[in-house]
Parts: sequence; structure tokens; C-alpha cells
Amino acid sequence: GAVVSQHPSRVICKSGTSVKIECRSLDFQATTMFWYRQFPKQSLMLMATSNEGSKATYEQGVEKDKFLINHASLTLSTLTVTSAHPEDSSFYICSARDEVSLEKLFFGSGTQLSVL
Amino acid sequence: GQNIDQPTEMTATEGAIVQINCTYQTSGFNGLFWYQQHAGEAPTFLSYNVLDGLEEKGRFSSFLSRSKGYSYLLLKELQMKDSASYLCAVRVPNSGNTPLVFGKGTRLSVIA
Repeated sequence: GAVVSQHPSRVICKSGTSVKIECRSLDFQATTMFWYRQFPKQSLMLMATSNEGSKATYEQGVEKDKFLINHASLTLSTLTVTSAHPEDSSFYICSARDEVSLEKLFFGSGTQLSVL
Repeated sequence: GQNIDQPTEMTATEGAIVQINCTYQTSGFNGLFWYQQHAGEAPTFLSYNVLDGLEEKGRFSSFLSRSKGYSYLLLKELQMKDSASYLCAVRVPNSGNTPLVFGKGTRLSVIA
């Protein structure tokens, strides 16, 4: 089945630094990738929709200047958390839709970000 | 807005059957998904319903009634490894994209 690789799986950083998270579709092309954030014991909240070759679409309340998304190729999307603060500590998950098998999303393994 | 409701927690006995309900009110509907998520891990796909009725896949079945905005996930012959959160998600048409909107998840504890 389709595989989405997300890296790194865990990041611990100091407040004020930037963190980049990569999401790759390994055996299919993904024109659209979705970035979710999940706080402990909460549901996945959609942050933004990443479209290859164009600007990302952000959900209401998500700062586009803080969460930079780049989708430069059909197999790679990156999320950069700029000037991270402790309240940004969360579980970030990317997902991609196989354009052939549109029914389901394939999720990356997630990135646990801890900002000290 | 989008609203997806499911119970917060459930407990069931090993070997038993459990039904996890999900109701939704969304601005459009393009399919309902159930995912299983173990703590600290990414969700894994369980089932997909787009038409009314029951979809069966091994020990897991999922039912959908679009007119009632209702779905359930049925787990049979429960095993300890089934202890996890179960997420109900609706695919909502949105400006050409169709992201999933997730419920808060139901944490299932399977006890001996």
C-alpha cells in the first residue's frame, strides 16, 4: 500500500528556534498533502492544505507566517515552525491522498515537537 | 461549522463486541472514515463508507446512514490490542480539496 514518510519523529528544541518537518510520499504522487496538529487527548485539527506548486491554504486561526509550508514537488511537502514557543509543542501529522485511490488518506508517522 | 460527535471513552471485555457511534453535522459530505490510533502514533485506516449500509472487513464493520448523519464502528471478538482511540472523520468538500474533519476520538479500553 501507499506509504508516507515523515521526518523527524521527535524534536526537542529551544524556544525561538525554527523546526522543519518533512513529509514524503514514497510510492505515489501527491498533489495535495494535509497537515494536522494533535494536542494530547484531542482530535486531529487540520492546519493547512498543501498544494504542489502553489501556496498553501491555511485554516482559520492558523498563522501562515509561523507555519511555513512548501510543496515543491509531487512527493515532498515541508512544514517549518518558525520561532517556536512552548505552546507550539504538539504532535504534527501529515497526510497525503493518492490521486489514484481517492478514498483514503495515508498518514505519516507523526512528529512530536517539544519546545523548551 | 463542522461538528462530529462520538463518545469520549468506552470499556469492553476481551472477546466481546463493542459499537462506537458517531454523529455528524457538516457542510457537505463526501465519505466517512474510521481510523484507529494508538497513543503517540499516526492513525491507521480502518474503513470507509460513502453509501448507506454496512461495510464488513474481518472483525471490523462500519455502518452509515447519511439521512441521519450517523455512523457506527463495530468491533467483534475484542482483543487486548484493540485498546486504542477510534477516530470518526468526515470528508468535507472544500474549495476543490477534500480534507478530513475528525471527531475527538473514542478511547476504547479492552479489559480481561
